[in-house]
Amino acid sequence: EMQLVESGGGLVQPGRSLSLSCVASGFTFDDYAMHWVRQVPGKGLEWVTSISWNGEKKDYAGSVEGRFSISRDNGKNTLYLQVTSLRVEDSALFYCWAICVSTTCAGEIWGQGTLVSVSS
Amino acid sequence: QTLVTQEPSLSVSPGGTVSLTCGLTSGSVSISDLPGWIQQTPGQPPRTLIYSTSSRSSGVPDRFSGSIRGNKAVLTITGAQADDESVYFCVLSTGRGTWVFGGGTRLTVL
Repeated sequence: EMQLVESGGGLVQPGRSLSLSCVASGFTFDDYAMHWVRQVPGKGLEWVTSISWNGEKKDYAGSVEGRFSISRDNGKNTLYLQVTSLRVEDSALFYCWAICVSTTCAGEIWGQGTLVSVSS
Repeated sequence: QTLVTQEPSLSVSPGGTVSLTCGLTSGSVSISDLPGWIQQTPGQPPRTLIYSTSSRSSGVPDRFSGSIRGNKAVLTITGAQADDESVYFCVLSTGRGTWVFGGGTRLTVL
């Protein structure tokens, strides 16, 4: 079964940092570009950042540029998101999202999400 | 800043057909925008139904189909069922490495 499992969320004070992880299983990790998407419960989806299959290209939403950093370790089938200088408005459920970019796969995969709460 | 537009809410009768649209506040949606359709039911993670305009994800019933119609991407549900009641998000690639989601359409089946 193709699966993504996020972890690392929690309650943190404004201005602090957090490290999120997303472990992939059941598929060839480096066939996929990886994204982080967040969602305030009850609200819409917001694209946050993405990384190419080999980690060479990274893109960020303007709202997180300079504060969030995406990375991946294909040997460990793991995606990371380092979040710094957290703000109350960063509170959300963070999902990892895999998009096939190879001819040997198809489709997209979503994780279950990890909740980040920023509060004093 | 160009935004992605979707109907806030739609309704369909069981067995009926409904089309959800995804447009831009400026310009047209094309296949190069790689439009996708994401379904989300309350308390559940998102699930991709359609990617790259019209490719159906594995396990998605063929009553769901995607297309471009005029200047918008369209998700059509043919023969709607009660468990299709969900929120549907459109997502587009900007072509500059970033992606953008629409605000979602809440579909009611009644």
